[in-house]
Amino acid sequence: SQTIHQWPATLVQPVGSPLSLECTVEGTSNPNLYWYRQAAGRGLQLLFYSVGIGQISSEVPQNLSASRPQDRQFILSSKKLLLSDSGFYLCAWHPIGTGHNSPLHFGNGTRLTVT
Amino acid sequence: KQEVTQIPAALSVPEGENLVLNCSFTDSAIYNLQWFRQDPGKGLTSLLLIQSSQREQTSGRLNASLDKSSGRSTLYIAASQPGDSATYLCAVLVYGNNRLAFGKGNQVVVIP
Repeated sequence: SQTIHQWPATLVQPVGSPLSLECTVEGTSNPNLYWYRQAAGRGLQLLFYSVGIGQISSEVPQNLSASRPQDRQFILSSKKLLLSDSGFYLCAWHPIGTGHNSPLHFGNGTRLTVT
Repeated sequence: KQEVTQIPAALSVPEGENLVLNCSFTDSAIYNLQWFRQDPGKGLTSLLLIQSSQREQTSGRLNASLDKSSGRSTLYIAASQPGDSATYLCAVLVYGNNRLAFGKGNQVVVIP
């Protein structure tokens, strides 16, 4: 069966520090991968999505970036965190080739607090 | 731009009552509508997916309906239990750009 792992679960970082969040999917090949951010009262915001290794699409211009160095690995990064980067970051995946018949599957998220 | 609205933001019901959660969306050009459950501090768990050509989907005590022409979906949870306490989010897969547009969710508390 397919599983998705996200780490760390919680993170407290000072303003201006770098960030690296990692997500891996097991039990599937060539999934579509997504990074979302959930801020209090604002709902889920799509940040990045990827349909393959090295293929990243950015939805919102900001100081975050994403990379996909391996088929089932998705990394969210920042060189210098801002206070406004605080939030709950969720990785998700969708099986390729299933059209619109499969739901999105989410990891357990990373709670990031920038101080 | 697709807008998804869920009202009310929060509600409480006594155990045993049926739960009715509403979701509305502004553009009927969608591939599907998905309902998710989110427990505090956790990710989202998929509950039901309704294709745009379907009218409803059922899973156990859960039933979701879709009226695409009017831009509405309803999630019914029969005989609610305290374990149903969570936030329920609906999302529509937008035609043409393959992006899920989410509502902000209904926070549900089932009182024992």
